[in-house]
Amino acid sequence: EVELVESGGGLVQPGGSLRLSCAASGFSLSIYEMNWVRQAPGKGLQWISYMGSSGSSKYYADSVKGRFTISRDSAKNSLFLQMNSLRAEDTAVYYCARGEFSGGHYYGSFDYWGQGTRVTVSS
Amino acid sequence: QLVLTQSPSASASLGASVKLTCILSSGHSTYAIAWHQQQPEKGPRFLMKLNSDGSHVKGDGIPDRFSGSSSGAERYLIISSLQSEDEADYYCQTWGTDIRVFGGGTKLTVL
Repeated sequence: EVELVESGGGLVQPGGSLRLSCAASGFSLSIYEMNWVRQAPGKGLQWISYMGSSGSSKYYADSVKGRFTISRDSAKNSLFLQMNSLRAEDTAVYYCARGEFSGGHYYGSFDYWGQGTRVTVSS
Repeated sequence: QLVLTQSPSASASLGASVKLTCILSSGHSTYAIAWHQQQPEKGPRFLMKLNSDGSHVKGDGIPDRFSGSSSGAERYLIISSLQSEDEADYYCQTWGTDIRVFGGGTKLTVL
């Protein structure tokens, strides 16, 4: 059974850093593309980062480029999001989501989601 | 620019059917999309991937009441025999080479 469990959220001051984790089970991160998506309070979903199956391709939304870094530990089958220079507008629930891989093809649709971890940036 | 447009809200009666719409931006009418459901206070759940020809592949455990169709740049999510638990936010999502995009979401109220 596929499961994604995020952790690492919390309260942090503006300008601070936080590292989010996403523990994957039921599949290997080395085969699938992975993403981070966030949802600010009362708002919609916003994609923020992508990592390809090989780990070498990484993409970011303009709003986080240069401040956030996506990475993974294949041995632990875990995905990470290092967030630096945090701002009040980064306050959100952060989700990891798996990219669809079927019939030998990769698709940009997200077929499994975690339950999210809450990040609050405030002084 | 790759953009998805959704109506902010929709409503339908218990037991009825509803059709939610997601519109792809100009020049992107052949793109596939995905539909996701987010019930109150829960994480999103993948419903289906919907192609431009209307063919769709649903996620694990998604009931037959959920289906999709396409017309030009419009992608539809059809929910039949509405149940109370279908009251949720529904998001469409698409992708390009180096970007993933969500629509603004539609809040569905079941009357």
